Amino acid sequence: AQSVSQHNHHVILSEAASLELGCNYSYGGTVNLFWYVQYPGQHLQLLLKYFSGDPLVKGIKGFEAEFIKSKFSFNLRKPSVQWSDTAEYFCAVTPAQGGKLIFGQGTELSVKP
Amino acid sequence: GAGVSQSPSNKVTEKGKDVELRCDPISGHTALYWYRQSLGQGLEFLIYFQGNSAPDKSGLPSDRFSAERTGGSVSTLTIQRTQQEDSAVYLCASSLRVTEAFFGQGTRLTVV
Repeated sequence: AQSVSQHNHHVILSEAASLELGCNYSYGGTVNLFWYVQYPGQHLQLLLKYFSGDPLVKGIKGFEAEFIKSKFSFNLRKPSVQWSDTAEYFCAVTPAQGGKLIFGQGTELSVKP
Repeated sequence: GAGVSQSPSNKVTEKGKDVELRCDPISGHTALYWYRQSLGQGLEFLIYFQGNSAPDKSGLPSDRFSAERTGGSVSTLTIQRTQQEDSAVYLCASSLRVTEAFFGQGTRLTVV
């Protein structure tokens, strides 16, 4: 069965700082990878996804993530965060052929104006 | 429908009572998931339905928890003899087989 580990539980940044949130997964086969975001009081929504092809994927609101197969990692990045990026971020993995979607513990991001 | 719909949005129940939580997935989505979200605990996988296949129940925390999906659409999560530790937000999501999942707003369950 797959598992996901997010290294940072709570990250505090000032506006315009760069962001990198770590995500590592464990699974013996090919995977699909996702980052979801949950803004305060809102439901989970997709930031970006990786299925195949270019390992550098771009999502909404200037976020991107890089799949490094050799490291089983899918880290999320943003060059310059805004106060509105304050939210909880979740990394998730599912087998490429289909199956349950497993999430990491989440990283709470607080951006100070 | 336009999105995943969950009801009720809030539920307060007495310890020991049974509760049923409902999920209406996006029309045409073959996969349906239930998760539990507790403060500081992330999203805990509960159960996964895919088409007519047997559901993956590996995440259900005890035999007090069960779920069914009728006609490949609506799903009900039932918690019997609720305990205080069952208090959490229960999230439902649906997807096509190998695409991203879309989440509902959740049901906040409080056991008193």
